[in-house]
Amino acid sequence: GENVEQHPSTLSVQEGDSAVIKCTYSDSASNYFPWYKQELGKGPQLIIDIRSNVGEKKDQRIAVTLNKTAKHFSLHITETQPEDSAVYFCAASTRGTYKYIFGTGTRLKVLA
Amino acid sequence: SAVISQKPSRDICQRGTSLTIQCQVDSQVTMMFWYRQQPGQSLTLIATANQGSEATYESGFVIDKFPISRPNLTFSTLTVSNMSPEDSSIYLCSVEGPGAYNEQFFGPGTRLTVL
Repeated sequence: GENVEQHPSTLSVQEGDSAVIKCTYSDSASNYFPWYKQELGKGPQLIIDIRSNVGEKKDQRIAVTLNKTAKHFSLHITETQPEDSAVYFCAASTRGTYKYIFGTGTRLKVLA
Repeated sequence: SAVISQKPSRDICQRGTSLTIQCQVDSQVTMMFWYRQQPGQSLTLIATANQGSEATYESGFVIDKFPISRPNLTFSTLTVSNMSPEDSSIYLCSVEGPGAYNEQFFGPGTRLTVL
């Protein structure tokens, strides 16, 4: 069945360093890939997304890359700050279905 | 994006009882979704709720256990029926975004503990 694998499950970085989280999807029909940040006690917050017709998208310190051939996409956070500490989820969806397949999550800790 | 609120924010319930969770949106949306997030786990879609039609449930979820109402374009409820400790989870509602693609925006969640 459809599946999204996410790695690593936990990631610790020093403040100011970069963090990279990777996801691989199985359904070749997937064409929309959002990333969510979930802070403790809160709902997931959409932080960036990418459509299958682009290879990279950037928004200030965060960027997402997509490799459709390899069926993987990655979240890049530069100049990490303590407030970036949270659980990050990737997801894959096919246009028109509204059904998301979520990755298993990455707990990011930014050490001051 | 829409502002989404959920009530209650958390609850502790006894097994065998039922809890109804409310989701309110500050704008009209066609599609609303209910998810379950078990402790330390990812999100799993329970059902999709469109106004004016029966909810569509995902595999492993049934209407008798998770009845859903969608009386208008800004409100939905999810009931967790005949609860057991295995139902202890965060329950999240989400709504479709305004864009052409499948954006979803989530509410703050309801943290349910069943004793």
